[in-house]
Amino acid sequence: SYVLTQPPSVSVAPGKTASITCGGDNFGTKSVHWYQQKPGQAPVVVIYYDRDRPSGIPERFSGSKSGNTATLTIYRVEAGDEADYYCQVWGTDSDHVVFGGGTKLTVL
Amino acid sequence: QVQLQESGPGLVKPSETLSLTCTVSGASISSDYWAWIRQPPGKGLEWIAYIYYSGTALYSPSLKSRVSISRDTSKNQISLSLSSVTAADTAMYYCARLTGYGAPFDYWGQGTLVTVSS
Repeated sequence: SYVLTQPPSVSVAPGKTASITCGGDNFGTKSVHWYQQKPGQAPVVVIYYDRDRPSGIPERFSGSKSGNTATLTIYRVEAGDEADYYCQVWGTDSDHVVFGGGTKLTVL
Repeated sequence: QVQLQESGPGLVKPSETLSLTCTVSGASISSDYWAWIRQPPGKGLEWIAYIYYSGTALYSPSLKSRVSISRDTSKNQISLSLSSVTAADTAMYYCARLTGYGAPFDYWGQGTLVTVSS
């Protein structure tokens, strides 16, 4: 089955930039979506279709994709950004949905 | 405003069948895709299944033999059935909407915690 690989954790100081990667084979034309999940809450999409930002999501959140790696970048990190982040794609050879294992972002 | 609300028993015995319902308001389940996703305590998200506007369903390969998703358009509800549960099925279960193939999950329910225990 298709696997998305994320680092388990990323730590960053307030005001700095955090980068969370998501690796998968043959991303090709498949789009990557990113979710933020805070404790006790349902996930919220923060980036969709690789780089688009839903209304209400700060411009500090940015997405990119190159080759087989997608990256969620959070500029000027704030304490409130501390959360788990998940990438998600639709399967490259099926109609299945796949989530990455998640990355815990810690704001130091 | 689209709202999703999961409901069902919070405790299920091992080997029994877990049954959950997602009641949707603000949108018609006859449109779009509607999915179930779960999250074991302290772990990541796992897609379980989705059903879309035609009534066609697709299941996670790892759960396909035990899971069924259905819909009741008269009640605007999506249902999930998972048979032969074990402790490994203990999780928060979410329903969520996608606007189409390839789209993100844009609306989620608050989730319902199901514990499998005797």
